[in-house]
Amino acid sequence: EAGVTQSPTHLIKTRGQQATLRCSPISGHTSVYWYQQALGLGLQFLLWYDEGEERNRGNFPPRFSGRQFPNYSSELNVNALELEDSALYLCASSLGGQINQPQHFGDGTRLSIL
Amino acid sequence: GESVGLHLPTLSVQEGDNSIINCAYSNSASDYFIWYKQESGKGPQFIIDIRSNMDKRQGQRVTVLLNKTVKHLSLQIAATQPGDSAVYFCAENGGGTSYGKLTFGQGTILTVHP
Repeated sequence: EAGVTQSPTHLIKTRGQQATLRCSPISGHTSVYWYQQALGLGLQFLLWYDEGEERNRGNFPPRFSGRQFPNYSSELNVNALELEDSALYLCASSLGGQINQPQHFGDGTRLSIL
Repeated sequence: GESVGLHLPTLSVQEGDNSIINCAYSNSASDYFIWYKQESGKGPQFIIDIRSNMDKRQGQRVTVLLNKTVKHLSLQIAATQPGDSAVYFCAENGGGTSYGKLTFGQGTILTVHP
């Protein structure tokens, strides 16, 4: 069974541009989560989607947004990119509608801002 | 506020030894805890989880202990192998408005010497 897949693996942008990151969850999982792993800051929660709806959001500015599609895949969009947005962006999925299910992660998209 | 921290940022052991990685958490409302292993260039890999109504859970070569009185979590790895070398993170789900959001510790680097 395929795990969580993310694309692209690497993405290079310049300040002010917009980036789109994609995630496909494990088959049967309806919840998708996004985390930022910046150097020295650990993993920080960004967004949680379940059944197409945003369920929770971390302490990030509104230029970080996303959506979940009917097939449960998800996009993370980052507008007006800043140098400090350089990080590994990780997507995770879990069974939805059930309390306290483990989140399973993909290998991330490395976003570099020049 | 919510935080999950680790007592030891690095741990070096000999192959075959048992390893213990510790984690302190501050949110007494947290009801679910997970340990992850992250190897270089990969996303966090689920190891084991535990709910707050338990104080011990065992998996294959791993045991998680939860002490709610002192808000402490530990991961024990038996007969540590070189392939166990990685960064280990504890994570908590605080429940309530934090539902779905995992708060991660900073991580412990485990190095296993042959």
